[in-house]
Amino acid sequence: DAMVIQNPRYQVTQFGKPVTLSCSQTLNHNVMYWYQQKSSQAPKLLFHYYDKDFNNEADTPDNFQSRRPNTSFCFLDIRSPGLGDAAMYLCATSRGQVYEKLFFGSGTQLSVL
Amino acid sequence: SQELEQSPQSLIVQEGKNLTINCTSSKTLYGLYWYKQKYGEGLIFLMMLQKGGEEKSHEKITAKLDEKKQQSSLHITASQPSHAGIYLCGAHSGTYKYIFGTGTRLKVLA
Repeated sequence: DAMVIQNPRYQVTQFGKPVTLSCSQTLNHNVMYWYQQKSSQAPKLLFHYYDKDFNNEADTPDNFQSRRPNTSFCFLDIRSPGLGDAAMYLCATSRGQVYEKLFFGSGTQLSVL
Repeated sequence: SQELEQSPQSLIVQEGKNLTINCTSSKTLYGLYWYKQKYGEGLIFLMMLQKGGEEKSHEKITAKLDEKKQQSSLHITASQPSHAGIYLCGAHSGTYKYIFGTGTRLKVLA
């Protein structure tokens, strides 16, 4: 009964080779988030979508892009991955109301060789 | 900007022991969340606290938010190996913006 699904679970890419991570949800939530979590660090918000409205965090590198073609799917594109982009990428959703919890996927562990 | 600091960073306890994890915010909290993360996986929601002095319990886990709404604690009674993982506190830092603490890694020895 997975509600937020991330694929793939593990992704290996080469330095500079574009990579796309995907997230889908069956909750029909309005908001979808992408977080980056490096080892032993707090998850860091990269951006979020409210419906089709894209909101980028000020310190998110230009190398990171996102697409949300419909309510259910959201993609994270890393145009030219560097070694420093190796991390766990977490997708989360929420309905978009005040004071509500986030629903997380299992994450995609990205390695950059 | 708001920051969440957790202590301790890591904790190793013997099965059956009680433990407490703390979360301190640099600003007043409007909605404090506790999540658990198994190693290499996503976050699972545990509890949400909103009101100063609020306390919630689920099974053997109790979370409290202080009256000033700047500190929260998570208490586990009679810990079990299944409690092992990373516990993160989270809070709203703006509209559709959540921040998290760096987490507390808990290991429970059988």
